Amino acid sequence: NAGVTQTPKFRVLKTGQSMTLLCAQDMNHEYMYWYRQDPGMGLRLIHYSVGEGTTAKGEVPDGYNVSRLKKQNFLLGLESAAPSQTSVYFCASSYSQGAVNTEAFFGQGTRLTVV
Amino acid sequence: DAKTTQPPSMDCAEGRAANLPCNHSTISGNEYVYWYRQIHSQGPQYIIHGLKNNETNEMASLIITEDRKSSTLILPHATLRDTAVYYCIVRSGTASKLTFGTGTRLQVTL
Repeated sequence: NAGVTQTPKFRVLKTGQSMTLLCAQDMNHEYMYWYRQDPGMGLRLIHYSVGEGTTAKGEVPDGYNVSRLKKQNFLLGLESAAPSQTSVYFCASSYSQGAVNTEAFFGQGTRLTVV
Repeated sequence: DAKTTQPPSMDCAEGRAANLPCNHSTISGNEYVYWYRQIHSQGPQYIIHGLKNNETNEMASLIITEDRKSSTLILPHATLRDTAVYYCIVRSGTASKLTFGTGTRLQVTL
């Protein structure tokens, strides 16, 4: 059981380049989340999804797009990377709030540097 | 979701109990209290959650006051591996968002 897997683990981008971060979960969770964490800060929610085909904005959505075409995958896209998007990105998933077990499971993070 | 307040940092001697407080004075009736921790730069890890009764699992105990305006996470015998940032989160039973605050940095020392 792999849990939540993030790809890639590290990436360096030049300003203006685009990239997609992939999050995959094998727990059949309905909810998925993307967070960013800057040095010395807490996690901030970028976008989240409550099910296949649906997404919603979190606290800091600007500069990012997401897609949830399959229940097990949640993609985070940066169309034109900026140095301010240098951060560690975490993906998480959980059952819906109606389930008995509602804790979120996190991936190990993607370290992104934009130069 | 209700806002939470935690001390920025705490120290604890190894082998002693670590008691981490959280204030959530605006919590409403259908909101749960969750605790997560983040060790170094890893992804956060779920610890425990509760509604109004005290809860215990293999990792920790959660004590929620009768008025539910505050709670305490207890690590009964802290070890060096418990050094981490601990996050207290209040989340309703129907909410889909999971929002983190700044947490408490717990340093366990010899």
